[in-house]
Amino acid sequence: QVQLQESGPGLVKPSDTLSLTCAVSGYSISSGQWWGWIRQAPGKGLEWIGYIYYGGNTYYNPTLKSRVTMSVDTSKNQFSLKLSSVTAVDTAVYYCARYQSGISYHYFDSWGQGTLVSVSS
Amino acid sequence: DIVMTQSPLSLPVTPGEPASISCRSSQSLLHSTGNNFLDWYLQKPGQSPQLLMYLGSNRASGVPDRFSGSGSGTDFTLKISRVEAEDVGVYYCMQALQNPITFGQGTRLHIK
Repeated sequence: QVQLQESGPGLVKPSDTLSLTCAVSGYSISSGQWWGWIRQAPGKGLEWIGYIYYGGNTYYNPTLKSRVTMSVDTSKNQFSLKLSSVTAVDTAVYYCARYQSGISYHYFDSWGQGTLVSVSS
Repeated sequence: DIVMTQSPLSLPVTPGEPASISCRSSQSLLHSTGNNFLDWYLQKPGQSPQLLMYLGSNRASGVPDRFSGSGSGTDFTLKISRVEAEDVGVYYCMQALQNPITFGQGTRLHIK
């Protein structure tokens, strides 16, 4: 059974870069599929940040595209998110998730527990 | 971007009674394959979202059959035939037809 676990600083200063890693167990990233990031501001709904294929192809939300970079490290079976020039509005719980994508299905079927990142000086 | 609109936003339900959540999209989610790329997720209190339904009407693995999904094009419905206490949480619909992926605002189901 695939498991995902986010890690990274819980506090980031304004204008700095938020960096998170998602470690995957029970499934090899190199086997395929897309790997995504979704965030949830306190008391708010879900916002898709983007996803990355194991080969490195990426799709980002246009609202964040200029500040987002995703990468994959197949040797460590993990993928990462960097969000630059953060402000208070980037304070949120960040989830990583596996995105199953095929001709007859598109869904996030496995999620990490989420990690709260606060942006404050 | 495809805008997803859910209603109601708050849904008080008596255990054992049915419940229904509506989700409407600003564009048709019907793919050329004949499938509607509409998913439903449930976020239980303090937990990550979990997949309930995909392609509008297919239950994910382990989801009880009291949950059902229907609809096509721009109008979709999630129904619970008999609500149980463990069903409380926030339900989200999500369109997976095109990027950016977008979610509805969420519907909070709670026990009366």
